[in-house]
Order: sequence, then structure tokens, then C-alpha cells
Amino acid sequence: DAKTTQPTSMDCAEGRAANLPCNHSTISGNEYVYWYRQIHSQGPQYIIHGLKNNETNEMASLIITEDRKSSTLILPHATLRDTAVYYCIVVAFYGQNFVFGPGTRLSVLP
Amino acid sequence: EAGVTQFPSHSVIEKGQTVTLRCDPISGHDNLYWYRRVMGKEIKFLLHFVKESKQDESGMPNNRFLAERTGGTYSTLKVQPAELEDSGVYFCASSQSGLVKRTDTQYFGPGTRLTVL
Repeated sequence: DAKTTQPTSMDCAEGRAANLPCNHSTISGNEYVYWYRQIHSQGPQYIIHGLKNNETNEMASLIITEDRKSSTLILPHATLRDTAVYYCIVVAFYGQNFVFGPGTRLSVLP
Repeated sequence: EAGVTQFPSHSVIEKGQTVTLRCDPISGHDNLYWYRRVMGKEIKFLLHFVKESKQDESGMPNNRFLAERTGGTYSTLKVQPAELEDSGVYFCASSQSGLVKRTDTQYFGPGTRLTVL
């Protein structure tokens, strides 16, 4: 079973920030938080990951709470092409397989 | 840099036939994973190679599935004989060696959509 819980679906207006929450209350100290997305039936696409510090890259920002029990993926200026299913995954160590939950279906609306 | 590639993109076969899926990981990636999504379900792990060795095959559904990675490069996943419930999308992912890293990022291919009639 997935170690994370996410809302089933969310809407966001085009051009606005999309904030996708993830609960991982049982996360261990050595577990990383990864975010992927799947657009239509394409393969999952890596977005960002972090351990305990906030992270930012060209796609998104990842905010992890101080107790590490939850995180938020932020797409600063959502576009229609960001419509996808977003997955939050916790992974303990190198080489461990990913456990996917149902994810959050984000719909970016014009 | 080329990403993970998978062949074929689609395959339609009849129950009882054999199908072989191929995955070419990103060059230099020692880790190769197979996952699949069956209709209406979540993406599930099948197995993990480190170079040519099977590191974890706990997700393989039954002995009709055989995965190989000869030479530690590309991998094949054979289903023989195929059953209706094998229909779904099969994804391959690869990641670098973890000799100096505690964690790594898996990069996924576009998947192979398998339909068993």
C-alpha cells in the first residue's frame, strides 16, 4: 500500500499557482518525498524530490513541513499542459521500487 | 541524452499467444525496473534489475512472466501464454548506480500498451 494520501482531484485556473498537498504522516527519517506526474497515458514524468529542505527546480517547488509529515507541490503558473495525475511517493533508499497510489488528478481550467 | 525507450508502443494479441516487450534504459543506468498498470488500477511494481541481476522480483504476478536483462543493457519481458488479465500498460524505468548516492531518480519510458483478446 502507498504510504501517502492525496486528494482525488483538484482544479486550478490557468496562470494561477497549483498547490497539491500530500500527507505522509508515517514517513521515516531516511525516506525521501518524490513527485511524478502522468499526462494522459504517457509514462510517469519526474518532477522533483526532497528529504527535509524545501526544493525548487524549473518545473516546481516542493515544500516539506518541519515534521516531514506532509508536503506541498507548487506549480507556480499552471498551464493547460499541466493537466495530469500527480503522484506523491516516499522512498527509503536507493534501488527501492516506487509504490504508486491513485494520485491527484489536476485539471487546469482556461 | 536519449530517454528510456520501449518497444512496441502497442501490442494486440490473442489469449494463449506469446508477447515480448523490450526496454532500453538510459545509457549508463544500472538499475532497470518494470511496472504495469492494469485497467482501473494503480501502477504496480513488477521487478528490479541491477545490471544483469534480478534484485527484486516480488511483484511478478506468476510464472507466465519472464524478464531478462542479458549483458546488463536492454531488458525484455515475455508473457507466455498471455491471459486476458494481462492487458494493461507496461512501463519500464531506469536509474543510475547508487554507489555514491542514497537515493536516485527513476526515469520512465512511454510504456507498452498490451491488449489480450
